[in-house]
Amino acid sequence: NAGVTQTPKFQVLKTGQSMTLQCAQDMNHNSMYWYRQDPGMGLRLIYYSASEGTTDKGEVPNGYNVSRLNKREFSLRLESAAPSQTSVYFCASSPLAASSTDTQYFGPGTRLTVL
Amino acid sequence: AQSVTQLDSHVSVSEGTPVLLRCNYSSSYSPSLFWYVQHPNKGLQLLLKYTSAATLVKGINGFEAEFKKSETSFHLTKPSAHMSDAAEYFCVVSDLDGGSQGNLIFGKGTKLSVKP
Repeated sequence: NAGVTQTPKFQVLKTGQSMTLQCAQDMNHNSMYWYRQDPGMGLRLIYYSASEGTTDKGEVPNGYNVSRLNKREFSLRLESAAPSQTSVYFCASSPLAASSTDTQYFGPGTRLTVL
Repeated sequence: AQSVTQLDSHVSVSEGTPVLLRCNYSSSYSPSLFWYVQHPNKGLQLLLKYTSAATLVKGINGFEAEFKKSETSFHLTKPSAHMSDAAEYFCVVSDLDGGSQGNLIFGKGTKLSVKP
């Protein structure tokens, strides 16, 4: 059981380049999330998808777009990368749609550096 | 709006001594609260969660936390630290507002060091 997988594990971009971070879960979960983690900041929510076919902005959505391709996959796109987007990105999923008691399961993360 | 404050950015203990990681929350409702652990260069793993059942919650690896509504606290404890407990710990509250219900609000983290 792979859980939540993310690709790539590491990426270096130049300012202005674009890329897509991929996330997939094999637990038949309804909700999926993208976070970024910066030193001393905890994790901050970028976008989430409460169920297949829906996406909503989180706390820090600027500069990002997402696609909920199907129930399993939720991708995060940087159209024009900036140095401020240097961070570790985590994808997570949870079984229910919009439940305050639900546990989120996290992927291993993608370390992104923008030069 | 909900928020969470971790009172210590870094805690250092000796192996075999008790661990106390402090967390205060702010919420207009009766919140759901979580502790997650992140080992170096790894993803996050759930330690335990409180969802309005018993106020003393037991988690994995000997950790437990007590929900105290009067103090708006959810401190994490362990009687005896092990070297493998060295990691970063996040106190988390679940957003209860409308359509964003289920979104997590993270504290800034407490880094736990364990000395031999």
